[in-house]
Amino acid sequence: NAGVTQTPKFRVLKTGQSMTLLCAQDMNHEYMYWYRQDPGMGLRLIHYSVGEGTTAKGEVPDGYNVSRLKKQNFLLGLESAAPSQTSVYFCASMEGGETDTQYFGPGTRLTVL
Amino acid sequence: GQQLNQSPQSMFIQEGEDVSMNCTSSSIFNTWLWYKQDPGEGPVLLIALYKAGELTSNGRLTAQFGITRKDSFLNISASIPSDVGIYFCAGQNSGGSNYKLTFGKGTLLTVNP
Repeated sequence: NAGVTQTPKFRVLKTGQSMTLLCAQDMNHEYMYWYRQDPGMGLRLIHYSVGEGTTAKGEVPDGYNVSRLKKQNFLLGLESAAPSQTSVYFCASMEGGETDTQYFGPGTRLTVL
Repeated sequence: GQQLNQSPQSMFIQEGEDVSMNCTSSSIFNTWLWYKQDPGEGPVLLIALYKAGELTSNGRLTAQFGITRKDSFLNISASIPSDVGIYFCAGQNSGGSNYKLTFGKGTLLTVNP
């Protein structure tokens, strides 16, 4: 049971390039989330999914797209990367329920030059 | 949107001292959570609080869910060097069944041996 995994761990992009971050969970969780973490800002929700085939916008969705084609995977895409998207990205998942909590992956550090 | 004010932003303490940090919100939450993040890792859940007034302990950690449902505090007793890290509070509402979290900006804890 690997929990929540993220690939890649590090990536450097040039402005305008595109890339996809992969989040995978092996806990059969329904809910999945993408956050970004910037210094002094805490974690902010980008997009989330309440089940396979569903996605919804979070607090800071602009410049990102997501897909949840398979229950275990949640992809975060940057179509045209900008320096403002330099950040550490975390994925989380949870089963759902009043007493359940989110489990986080190890993060992806992205730098956009 | 909902905002969490977490204080202090940082703390420098000596090993063996007690630590206290808190979060306040402009609106109520159904659940309060406290996470710890080690360098290069994702946040890990420390304590979850589900009822107003609830006081919960986990080893040297104690957290309380405020009566007004708009605040929470975390205490760490007899700090040790491995307590170093960033501590985040988070509020959760299950309304709409999306279980989204709102995070505070974090408290950076440094423990001097």
